[in-house]
Amino acid sequence: EAGVAQSPRYKIIEKRQSVAFWCNPISGHATLYWYQQILGQGPKLLIQFQNNGVVDDSQLPKDRFSAERLKGVDSTLKIQPAKLEDSAVYLCASSPLTQGNPEKLFFGSGTQLSVL
Amino acid sequence: AQTVTQSQPEMSVQEAETVTLSCTYDTSESNYYLFWYKQPPSRQMILVIRQEAYKQQNATENRFSVNFQKAAKSFSLKISDSQLGDTAMYFCAFMSGWGAQKLVFGQGTRLTINP
Repeated sequence: EAGVAQSPRYKIIEKRQSVAFWCNPISGHATLYWYQQILGQGPKLLIQFQNNGVVDDSQLPKDRFSAERLKGVDSTLKIQPAKLEDSAVYLCASSPLTQGNPEKLFFGSGTQLSVL
Repeated sequence: AQTVTQSQPEMSVQEAETVTLSCTYDTSESNYYLFWYKQPPSRQMILVIRQEAYKQQNATENRFSVNFQKAAKSFSLKISDSQLGDTAMYFCAFMSGWGAQKLVFGQGTRLTINP
């Protein structure tokens, strides 16, 4: 079974530039998550989709971050304009939709962003 | 809001020794799930073990076991016969049994297994 695919693996930009990350979840997984992991910290949820609808985006800095999941499959996370504090690993995860029981999340290898 | 705390930023043991990683959490819910994830340098999060709060029996997976103390809100991970491949960041995580299924992570413990 193919895993969660993310690209690019690394990205270096200057502050105030824009950047986009792409995620392709496991086929058939209805739920997709974007996490931000700053160096030395645990991942923090930015946004959660169920199919193409947003379930939780309470910690997404909406003035600069945006995310979409067209057709309930692939997802793109964008930052515009980037700040130094956005330097982090951005992890995508997916899980099947199961009522009543949490399924384990399947994670991608992340995109490491450096903002100079 | 739920919080997860890992008080050991780094740990180091010799190969074949047993090591215990600590985790405490705070929640007012009675139905929830707890997890330990491993993150090697490849950055991919790998599920190590999971525990349902309604189960009194501690979960085990081969060399990995947990000590789940619900009243104390403690969830420690024990790794027996540690191997060089166990070297990684380890994250404790909480998931509510209600509503949206999302993981809340602790700060992580960097575990090094020395030859």
